[in-house]
Amino acid sequence: QKEVEQNSGPLSVPEGAIASLNCTYSDRGSQSFFWYRQYSGKSPELIMSIYSNGDKEDGRFTAQLNKASQYVSLLIRDSQPSDSATYLCAVSPLVFGKGTRLSVIA
Amino acid sequence: DAGVTQSPTHLIKTRGQQVTLRCSPKSGHDTVSWYQQALGQGPQFIFQYYEEEERQRGNFPDRFSGHQFPNYSSELNVNALLLGDSALYLCASSLVVWGQETQYFGPGTRLLVL
Repeated sequence: QKEVEQNSGPLSVPEGAIASLNCTYSDRGSQSFFWYRQYSGKSPELIMSIYSNGDKEDGRFTAQLNKASQYVSLLIRDSQPSDSATYLCAVSPLVFGKGTRLSVIA
Repeated sequence: DAGVTQSPTHLIKTRGQQVTLRCSPKSGHDTVSWYQQALGQGPQFIFQYYEEEERQRGNFPDRFSGHQFPNYSSELNVNALLLGDSALYLCASSLVVWGQETQYFGPGTRLLVL
């Protein structure tokens, strides 16, 4: 059974710092990886997708993928209080982790 | 460009009743997936529809059934509701391009079973 593991948090970082969110997955054949942001009471919103090993940058967000280690991460630079949310890691769109709650302290 | 829409936004039912939730995909998308998200949990995959057929199914009982219409919209039906069915039900639409599928979520339907 495919599994996606995330630290539930909460992860607290000061405003302006780098937030680092991590995710591991069990299915070595997975090809597609996604990070979603979910504010309380709202639906998940796609932030990043990554398909190849290495880094992918989009604004303040960087996704990192290491297929050999079955590891995906999301870095948020210059964290803002508005980044406070739950971040969901998803693998080959159909399997989600439980999410990591991020709190950015002003 | 309209995104994914779902109706209703909220619903209250009692145990044993039946419920139908509706989803219209993002323009140009032909695949619809349904998820159940309990409080504090990640979305759990229920099933996916493509070309009006159920393409994949997660670990949910037969009480959960669905349908996709020729215009790609979809319904999720849940029979014999249990208290544990209370959750946020999410619809996601997608389009496979060059073998890659990215899902976009609707606002969800919050179901409360009393």
